[in-house]
Amino acid sequence: GNSVTQMEGPVTLSEEAFLTINCTYTATGYPSLFWYVQYPGEGLQLLLKATKADDKGSNKGFEATYRKETTSFHLEKGSVQVSDSAVYFCAPNERGSTLGRLYFGRGTQLTVWP
Amino acid sequence: IAGITQAPTSQILAAGRRMTLRCTQDMRHNAMYWYRQDLGLGLRLIHYSNTAGTTGKGEVPDGYSVSRANTDDFPLTLASAVPSQTSVYFCASSDPDSGELFFGEGSRLTVL
Repeated sequence: GNSVTQMEGPVTLSEEAFLTINCTYTATGYPSLFWYVQYPGEGLQLLLKATKADDKGSNKGFEATYRKETTSFHLEKGSVQVSDSAVYFCAPNERGSTLGRLYFGRGTQLTVWP
Repeated sequence: IAGITQAPTSQILAAGRRMTLRCTQDMRHNAMYWYRQDLGLGLRLIHYSNTAGTTGKGEVPDGYSVSRANTDDFPLTLASAVPSQTSVYFCASSDPDSGELFFGEGSRLTVL
């Protein structure tokens, strides 16, 4: 079956530090890959996505590259801000499958201090 | 565009009571989902529906039921609430082309 292994948090960084949150997955098909972000008191929202091998998703300074050979989709940001404090979820999705549902990692809590 | 609307936003209820969490979408997505979010456990799928008239069980379906009478609505019912069902519940729908999920703002449920 499908599964996601995501770096456990919490992660605490100073403003302008470099961020990496690791994510590896197993999937029976050829999934699209997503990172979702959840700000305090809110629902999840899409941060970025990649739909095929070697694609790079990017948004708000965050990036992640679809690595098929290592089945990974690590999230990176060169210089984090206090406003990036949130919980981040990695999720592969088997596009086109009859279920088409996402499998979520447990989430990584990020706290950025000024 | 409202997207996904959930109600109520929060609710406290006594154990043994029946409760229905409402979810409505205006994107005409066929697939919809209910997740619960608990500290340290991330998001767990309760039930899903691939299209109106069909439903399926997710990872943690016990104690919950759903119905899908039409495309827009996907209510989640707790027939007899128990304290372990205290959680934040999220409804979502998915874009069939990209697979992207769209989430509601969540319903915080406390069972005493």
